Amino acid sequence: QKEVEQDPGPLSVPEGAIVSLNCTYSNSAFQYFMWYRQYSRKGPELLMYTYSSGNKEDGRFTAQVDKSSKYISLFIRDSQPSDSATYLCAIGTGAGSYQLTFGKGTKLSVIP
Amino acid sequence: ETGVTQTPRHLVMGMTNKKSLKCEQHLGHNAMYWYKQSAKKPLELMFVYSLEERVENNSVPSRFSPECPNSSHLFLHLHTLQPEDSALYLCASSQAIRGAQYFGPGTRLTVL
Repeated sequence: QKEVEQDPGPLSVPEGAIVSLNCTYSNSAFQYFMWYRQYSRKGPELLMYTYSSGNKEDGRFTAQVDKSSKYISLFIRDSQPSDSATYLCAIGTGAGSYQLTFGKGTKLSVIP
Repeated sequence: ETGVTQTPRHLVMGMTNKKSLKCEQHLGHNAMYWYKQSAKKPLELMFVYSLEERVENNSVPSRFSPECPNSSHLFLHLHTLQPEDSALYLCASSQAIRGAQYFGPGTRLTVL
């Protein structure tokens, strides 16, 4: 079983839709969680960082962590064509290691 | 300059060439990273430097040689690469072990 599973998509939604992106993980030692957005031919851009279960909101983006289910989500409200990108989840233990474990990424297209 | 910068943005090299990738972070962070991103695979951590000391090295072939002369600069020296080394090479930095990692735009490397 892979440590982090992420549906690669592609996911196509109409403009204005609510988008739900998800990752599951198997290692209960994971303590902190990030979501990155990566446009084509660019480096990943940090969107959200959280280390606790529950929700964290930033504008149109909400990150949700459920440690008991080992499941994290990113919701995008009122999606825009500019949200079209690949979204990567990244998870770390922080316990003596700098290493993050990344999902493969979900490619999202928001159609005007 | 702001954030994390990388040069060159594109590099084409033959298998017998020697080249170097450069990364500079302007965020005042104390840890720097090299990642490899290949199509349809998760980001792969290659090297981590904390306070200019290498702290993690993920079984990377010796044809990749990192150098961190100070906390703001990171190099990746390349020699006798193979075509399968063609990928996007990303540099990142963070503040401390649990800090969010901020990425540069990457160097697109093609090995002929």
